[in-house]
Amino acid sequence: DSGVTQTPKHLITATGQRVTLRCSPRSGDLSVYWYQQSLDQGLQFLIQYYNGEERAKGNILERFSAQQFPDLHSELNLSSLELGDSALYFCASSVQGHLTDTQYFGPGTRLTVL
Amino acid sequence: AQSVAQPEDQVNVAEGNPLTVKCTYSVSGNPYLFWYVQYPNRGLQFLLKYITGDNLVKGSYGFEAEFNKSQTSFHLKKPSALVSDSALYFCAVRGGSGSARQLTFGSGTQLTVLP
Repeated sequence: DSGVTQTPKHLITATGQRVTLRCSPRSGDLSVYWYQQSLDQGLQFLIQYYNGEERAKGNILERFSAQQFPDLHSELNLSSLELGDSALYFCASSVQGHLTDTQYFGPGTRLTVL
Repeated sequence: AQSVAQPEDQVNVAEGNPLTVKCTYSVSGNPYLFWYVQYPNRGLQFLLKYITGDNLVKGSYGFEAEFNKSQTSFHLKKPSALVSDSALYFCAVRGGSGSARQLTFGSGTQLTVLP
């Protein structure tokens, strides 16, 4: 158990809908990262937050947004969902967000868009 | 842009034999290299990382990896494989500049240890 928690475990929804994925980092970790894992694209970095502020953006679609709250938990919002958004979404956390920090991953949320 | 290549989609090895999972990388500046393992329906578990110093890095569950700067490789090894080592292994690199400073993963290698 990495100490990173994600809810829900599974999510099934329809095209055009909006969903929110939640992540709680390990105790003491200030940085949160979101990743998408799909069969065709592999593991892709989406976005990073550090202590409530956006630190870096990767291949995140404009329909997707995220935030990190004062208690350091983070939410990833996915809107106007398309079939191609079906994937496993991982949250990871690290102490500071430095290049050398180990990122610890949560169990993931499996999103299925029908 | 930084990148990671895992040239083998699948590696099969007999239990008790040594195993190697290959990884090569491309990054500007100093590379920071990581290995993760993913079991079915689970998140990624950290195995080990190379930051600086000794080229041989020891990690969890008896795994080790050797950093080779001239060959830009970071192969994962274990002297004696267990059936329970069967899983999907990912190599990742972090370094470079700008948005490339984020963790970039290889495509993964499925390791199967045969009893």
